[in-house]
Amino acid sequence: NAGVTQTPKFRILKIGQSMTLQCTQDMNHNYMYWYRQDPGMGLKLIYYSVGAGITDKGEVPNGYNVSRSTTEDFPLRLELAAPSQTSVYFCASSDTTTGGELFFGEGSRLTVL
Amino acid sequence: AQSVTQLGSHVSVSEGALVLLRCNYSSSVPPYLFWYVQYPNQGLQLLLKYTSAATLVKGINGFEAEFKKSETSFHLTKPSAHMSDAAEYFCAVRPGSARQLTFGSGTQLTVLP
Repeated sequence: NAGVTQTPKFRILKIGQSMTLQCTQDMNHNYMYWYRQDPGMGLKLIYYSVGAGITDKGEVPNGYNVSRSTTEDFPLRLELAAPSQTSVYFCASSDTTTGGELFFGEGSRLTVL
Repeated sequence: AQSVTQLGSHVSVSEGALVLLRCNYSSSVPPYLFWYVQYPNQGLQLLLKYTSAATLVKGINGFEAEFKKSETSFHLTKPSAHMSDAAEYFCAVRPGSARQLTFGSGTQLTVLP
């Protein structure tokens, strides 16, 4: 049972480059989330989705875009990468049957130089 | 808006000693509350959750937490620390019907031999 799978695990970008972080879940969860984690700051919500075709901004959406074409996939796109986007990114999913519990992927560590 | 405050970004205890990690929340509606643990270079794993049933919640690895509405607290405890408990711990709140969790800034637990 794979759960939530994120790729890549590590990536180094140059300033101004673009990339997509992939996230897929096999639990048939309706809700999916992207968080970023910075030292001492906890996790901040970037975007979330309550179902295919529906996305909404979280606390820190600037510089990011998402799409949700299927229940399973929720990619996060970074356009024009900046050093401030250096972080660890976590994808998570949940459902009404999970009592609000989020299931997390193992994270993607991104460095922008 | 909901928020979570974790008192103490770093806590050190001796092996065998009591572990107490503090969490206070604010929420305009009855909340769901969670504790997650993160081991180095891994995603977040659920320790326990409060969903308006019993106020004393037991989780994995011998941890428990008590929901105190009057104090707006949800502190995490373990009677006897083990070396394997060394990790970062996050408290999170989800008010009522909200779809996303708000995380605290985390507490790094060190267990001394």
